[in-house]
Amino acid sequence: EPEVTQTPSHQVTQMGQEVILRCVPISNHLYFYWYRQILGQKVEFLVSFYNNEISEKSEIFDDQFSVERPDGSNFTLKIRSTKLEDSAMYFCASSEGNNEQFFGPGTRLTVL
Amino acid sequence: GQNIDQPTEMTATEGAIVQINCTYQTSGFNGLFWYQQHAGEAPTFLSYNVLDGLEEKGRFSSFLSRSKGYSYLLLKELQMKDSASYLCAVDPNNAGNMLTFGGGTRLMVKP
Repeated sequence: EPEVTQTPSHQVTQMGQEVILRCVPISNHLYFYWYRQILGQKVEFLVSFYNNEISEKSEIFDDQFSVERPDGSNFTLKIRSTKLEDSAMYFCASSEGNNEQFFGPGTRLTVL
Repeated sequence: GQNIDQPTEMTATEGAIVQINCTYQTSGFNGLFWYQQHAGEAPTFLSYNVLDGLEEKGRFSSFLSRSKGYSYLLLKELQMKDSASYLCAVDPNNAGNMLTFGGGTRLMVKP
């Protein structure tokens, strides 16, 4: 069964450093997303991406965040200058259309 | 703003039936989703409702009333492995498929 994959599973970084989280969505899906979940809190939408551009973004997704689809398979989330409060689990998801979103296993980001 | 409410915790007995409620107030509505999330894992899709009524899928059913801003997830013949968090999520618009999640209901199934 096709699945969304994410690397790395765990990333530790120093405050102020840049991180890139990587995702490979399901191959025939057209919509891609990033969500985050701070430990013990709810899942929060960050951004959706379709047809090589951002279609929606939340207030969390400020100028420190960017997304890119550098090739036909990868979808990345970059945080330019990490803050302590960016520590969270980051989930990538993809969907065929306006229907169920399939989530990847997540990248746990720890900012020290 | 978007507001999605669901109980924080519920406990039920193996073999029983449990209903997890969700109420929502959102700027728009393009469908309601239920996801299951085991601790430390990713959410996995359970059901999707966009029209009023009941959707049944095996031991899981989900109900939607758009006029009341209300949904429930019904789990039958509970098993120990059903112990998890159940997340209610609403897509409030038709543009970017952005899911707004509730805080989740942590279900504990006891023998």
